[in-house]
Amino acid sequence: DIQMTQSPSSLSASVGDRVTITCRASQSISSYLNWYQQKPGKAPNLLIYAASSLQSGVPSRFSGSGSGTDFTLTITSLQPEDFATYYCQQSYSTGFTFGPGTKVDIK
Amino acid sequence: QLQLQESGPGLVKPSETLSLTCTVSGGSISSGSYYWGWIRQPPGKGLEWIGTIYYTGSTYYNPSLKSRVTISVDTSKNQFSLKLSSVTAADTAVYYCARRIAVAVHDAFDIWGQGTMVTVSS
Repeated sequence: DIQMTQSPSSLSASVGDRVTITCRASQSISSYLNWYQQKPGKAPNLLIYAASSLQSGVPSRFSGSGSGTDFTLTITSLQPEDFATYYCQQSYSTGFTFGPGTKVDIK
Repeated sequence: QLQLQESGPGLVKPSETLSLTCTVSGGSISSGSYYWGWIRQPPGKGLEWIGTIYYTGSTYYNPSLKSRVTISVDTSKNQFSLKLSSVTAADTAVYYCARRIAVAVHDAFDIWGQGTMVTVSS
């Protein structure tokens, strides 16, 4: 099974800050990496697919990069509605494992 | 606008079988590029993929749950279903159904249901 890790597990930031979240796979997954945002009591929402492609309707302040085992989600100029938990997920192999999540809250 | 809606009992007794259905509206479950899946999230914890089905009936299960999981599809009703047998308190979670788009590297769960809470308790 492919294991996914994320860092940090949580962070505090202010509106307008640039935020970076890292995701690492236990083996190479090429670009089969997705990012989701989840707000309390809501279903996850796809932000980025294939490591760097922005899902339709997602603001351009969200971006993704990386390939192989190391990936990054960046939020430029954090907005109030961006305070949430972010998950990475690999779609390289059956198992579709998710990372443990990164909670972004208000500083 | 495609929508997914989970339905089923919110309370299941230990050792019994959890059964949920996902109804797809606004589009056909038989669309070729899509798979249909179940993901769960225990209270306060992360996301776990349970399994996925194609409209032809081909299934893919999480190895850690495979012995207890059955996912089926009913194209005439535009629904797919989850059965999880021999449940314990560890199966208490919010259960989501979701659409998986799978076109080369574009492979992600892009549309989700709102989720349904299932508690395992006597």
